[in-house]
Amino acid sequence: GAVVSQHPSRVICKSGTSVKIECRSLDFQATTMFWYRQFPKQSLMLMATSNEGSKATYEQGVEKDKFLINHASLTLSTLTVTSAHPEDSSFYICAMGQAHSNQPQHFGDGTRLSIL
Amino acid sequence: QKEVEQNSGPLSVPEGAIASLNCTYSDRGSQSFFWYRQYSGKSPELIMFIYSNGDKEDGRFTAQLNKASQYVSLLIRDSQPSDSATYLCAVNMYTGNQFYFGTGTSLTVIP
Repeated sequence: GAVVSQHPSRVICKSGTSVKIECRSLDFQATTMFWYRQFPKQSLMLMATSNEGSKATYEQGVEKDKFLINHASLTLSTLTVTSAHPEDSSFYICAMGQAHSNQPQHFGDGTRLSIL
Repeated sequence: QKEVEQNSGPLSVPEGAIASLNCTYSDRGSQSFFWYRQYSGKSPELIMFIYSNGDKEDGRFTAQLNKASQYVSLLIRDSQPSDSATYLCAVNMYTGNQFYFGTGTSLTVIP
């Protein structure tokens, strides 16, 4: 299957810090990027969807000014959590796919973010 | 009504038994169907996909799709303790680029 590299795998930082998470596809071109958040023992929650070169579409309740998404190329997308607070502590997972196709999403390994 | 619904479980089966996981979806326009496995603390990994009505087999896994009844299932034969995980059903609407996940079914295989 497709390989998606996500890093860092774990971040521990102080409240107020901004954290950037990078997601890169290693062997295919992803026209669409999905960012998810998952709290312990809960299901995946879609945060936003972005297409290469376009602004991201955020799900209801997700602050676009707090969670900055950049999908600069077909192989790279970043999520920046700005001025993170303890309530932002979660497991963030990227997934890459191709728009208007029957192809699956391919997930990165996830980033566990802990804000002290 | 949610787009994709799964029984959250937990589902427990003894080692060697068949585990049956079910998923229903609401939109008849759905085109492709996926099963992901997620171990605790890890990200989901794709294990099966199916596009056409009927059965699709891959090793110990069989996906079954019935578009008329709007359900898709996953059978795991000869269940192993290593199959213990949460199984996520996902549905893709081709034309709208909408991809929906169920909340997952937790499976425990008892040695």
